[in-house]
Order: sequence, then C-alpha cells, then structure tokens
Amino acid sequence: DVKVTQSSRYLVKRTGEKVFLECVQDMDHENMFWYRQDPGLGLRLIYFSYDVKMKEKGDIPEGYSVSREKKERFSLILESASTNQTSMYLCASSFRNFYRGDQPQHFGDGTRLSIL
Amino acid sequence: AQKITQTQPGMFVQEKEAVTLDCTYDTSDQSYGLFWYKQPSSGEMIFLIYQGSYDEQNATEGRYSLNFQKARKSANLVISASQLGDSAMYFCAMRDISNFGNEKLTFGTGTRLTIIP
Repeated sequence: DVKVTQSSRYLVKRTGEKVFLECVQDMDHENMFWYRQDPGLGLRLIYFSYDVKMKEKGDIPEGYSVSREKKERFSLILESASTNQTSMYLCASSFRNFYRGDQPQHFGDGTRLSIL
Repeated sequence: AQKITQTQPGMFVQEKEAVTLDCTYDTSDQSYGLFWYKQPSSGEMIFLIYQGSYDEQNATEGRYSLNFQKARKSANLVISASQLGDSAMYFCAMRDISNFGNEKLTFGTGTRLTIIP
C-alpha cells in the first residue's frame, strides 16, 4: 500500500528559527511535492522535485528551500521562520506523468506548524 | 493559467442521500486531467477519482462518479448513498497534460461536506 510519512503531525517553533520538515515515501516515486494549506486558499505548491537533487519552484517558494538527496526523501526548510508561515504543510509523491497524465499524487498526513 | 472554482464552501446532507459537489475549471489547454480528493478531519488527502479530458465516458469508482461536462467546463463529483464517513473536505484539482511531463496540480478551495444522521 502507498505510504507517505511526514516526520511530525504537530510542530511549534519560534520566529527566526531554521525549521526542517521531513517527508519519506516508500513507493519508488520519481516526483515529490510540498504544499501549504490555508483556510479558504486550498493547497498551494511550494516546491517539487522530479528526481534526486532536482527541484523546481512552485507558486509560493519565497522563504522556503528544499533538499532531495535520496529518491525517497524530500525535505522542506524554512530558513528563518516567520509567523506568516504558520500553516498546514502537506507532502505528496507520484510517478512521473507522461501521455495520459493520470498519475495521482499520494499525500502524507500533514504537519501543523505554528510559528510563535 | 488554470483555475479551479468550487463555489460551495459548505454543504449539509442527510445520510443515505446522494450528494453533488460542484467543480468548474478554466483552461485554454486541450488536454487535461481532473482529480477529486477527500480530506477527513485527520488531515490526510485521499485520492478518489480521475477523469481525462478525452475520456468518452464519465469516470466511476464505487460510490463516486464524476459528472464531466466538457462544454460547460464542469467536473462535479457525485457521491451516491452518502454515509457518515463521507463527512470531510473535498478538493477538485486539475493538471494540464498538453505540456509533456507537466507534474503540477492546481487545486480548488474545497467544499466541506457534513453528513447528518
């Protein structure tokens, strides 16, 4: 069965801290994604990666960076946390899409991050 | 640019009734895929159903079906015989597949469905 594991369900950090959110998938998926979810805004893509050491910016990359050193692991880094980064963060993974584009993304349980 | 609109922020439905969740989309792309996800209060996003823009038949998966009307650019999710466990947020999403290898999904803002016993 598909499994995407996020390291924490709840996390509380202080402004200015460097924050690491970890995500691991066990399906040998090429793609991995980081989203943030805010009420009334749906899911917004922060970064994604389609291969080891490859990354592409999503719609809201400012204030974030990512790392993908191994295929199964994708890390989201808040370089200097700020209160406006308080949110729900969701990690997802999928196989590469080619002609049909029908590969769904599989999600982790999410991390509720609070920046005080 | 693609856009997904879900106009129902919340819905209350009696148990065992059918439910239709609205989704309209805006795209200039010829080839695209549409997805529906369910998010229970626990937080995980669960993939429900997929419809390709060139699929001739509406997609079905168990109690879920997708009412796809291409000319109207709508992709409504229909849940038959609703159950208490269907209470959740539901998100419609779209991927442009005319650009080879595009991996991005665009999500709507979601509809919160509450099933009443």
